[in-house]
Amino acid sequence: DIQMTQSPFSLSASVGDRVTITCRASQSVGTYLNWYQQKPGKAPKLLIYAASNLQSGVPSAFSGSGSGTDFTLTITSLQPEDFATYYCQQSHSTPYTFGQGTKLEIK
Amino acid sequence: EVQLVESGGGLVQPGESLRLSCVASGFTVSSIYMNWVRQAPGKGLEWVSVIYSSGSTSYADSVRGRFTISRDFSQNTLYLQMNTLRTDDTAMYYCARDPGGGGIHAFDIWGQGIMVTVSS
Repeated sequence: DIQMTQSPFSLSASVGDRVTITCRASQSVGTYLNWYQQKPGKAPKLLIYAASNLQSGVPSAFSGSGSGTDFTLTITSLQPEDFATYYCQQSHSTPYTFGQGTKLEIK
Repeated sequence: EVQLVESGGGLVQPGESLRLSCVASGFTVSSIYMNWVRQAPGKGLEWVSVIYSSGSTSYADSVRGRFTISRDFSQNTLYLQMNTLRTDDTAMYYCARDPGGGGIHAFDIWGQGIMVTVSS
């Protein structure tokens, strides 16, 4: 199975900050890497697919990069609604594993 | 409107069975990859199973042999038959769509989730 490791586990930031979350795969997943946002009590929401493609309707403040084993999610100019938990997920091969999540909190 | 609506959850005892349903609207479940993902209380996301447009299936090791994913074309519904339930199967269960094509191999549409609690 491909293991996905996110860092940091949690992150405190202020409105207007730029933040970066990293995700590392235990073996190459090419660009089969997706990012999701989840708010408490809600289903996850797809933000980025295929490592760097912005899902329709997602603000351009979100961006993704990387390939192979190392990936990043960047949020420029944090907004109040961006405080949530973020997950990476590989769709290269089953089981389609998720990272453990990064909780983004307001400082 | 494209949406997924789950049902069938509840409280069961260890060893019992439950069948979850996920009704799709706005698209056809047979033409796309359909998945089940679960989230134990306070924990992260865990992929459970997929059924591809071809009909082939795959399962997480933790549920293989106990859970069965299927779909009904006439009802446009995805199912998850869960047998021999264990306490560690307690989770919110989500169905999720994966277009599997057009460059997108990700879960772009999710249901609202349905809670399954396994407890004596």
